[in-house]
Amino acid sequence: QKEVEQNSGPLSVPEGAIASLNCTYSDRGSQSFFWYRQYSGKSPELIMFIYSNGDKEDGRFTAQLNKASQYVSLLIRDSQPSDSATYLCAVFRSNYKLTFGKGTLLTVNP
Amino acid sequence: DTEVTQTPKHLVMGMTNKKSLKCEQHMGHRAMYWYKQKAKKPPELMFVYSYEKLSINESVPSRFSPECPNSSLLNLHLHALQPEDSALYLCASSQDQAAGSHLPLHFGNGTRLTVT
Repeated sequence: QKEVEQNSGPLSVPEGAIASLNCTYSDRGSQSFFWYRQYSGKSPELIMFIYSNGDKEDGRFTAQLNKASQYVSLLIRDSQPSDSATYLCAVFRSNYKLTFGKGTLLTVNP
Repeated sequence: DTEVTQTPKHLVMGMTNKKSLKCEQHMGHRAMYWYKQKAKKPPELMFVYSYEKLSINESVPSRFSPECPNSSLLNLHLHALQPEDSALYLCASSQDQAAGSHLPLHFGNGTRLTVT
């Protein structure tokens, strides 16, 4: 089982729709969970982080964490074409290393 | 604009060259990182410095040599690289890297390295 798994996509949604991005992880000792957005040729940009079970909202973004299921998700409401990017799930594991999933390519169609 | 500054933005070097990548942050962060990212792949951890001491080396070949002169600076010295080392090299920092730390990494804009 891979340490951090994401669907590679591409995930295509129409403008204004909700985009749902999912991530699972294997290390039950993982402590913190992050979502980064990366535009082509650019560096990762922190979007959200979550430490506790439940939901965390920031503007159009909602992160959800379920440690029992080892599952993290990111919802993007009212998706905009500018949201088109690769979304990387990152997990701070029990060995103090931040490990990234392969990323999900999101395309928002006008 | 990122608060982690990397120079140069682009670097082309031959296999016999010696070059250095530089990273600087002034956020008072005590942990600094080097990641390598190949096209269409996620970032891969190379090194972690915590309080200016090397805490993690992910079995990186010795042709990559990190250095942390002080808490704000991080260098990556390159020597005798191979074409397959061509990638985006990302520096990042966080407030700490201690056990139980929940603090996110902030990335610089990266150095695009091409080895010819």
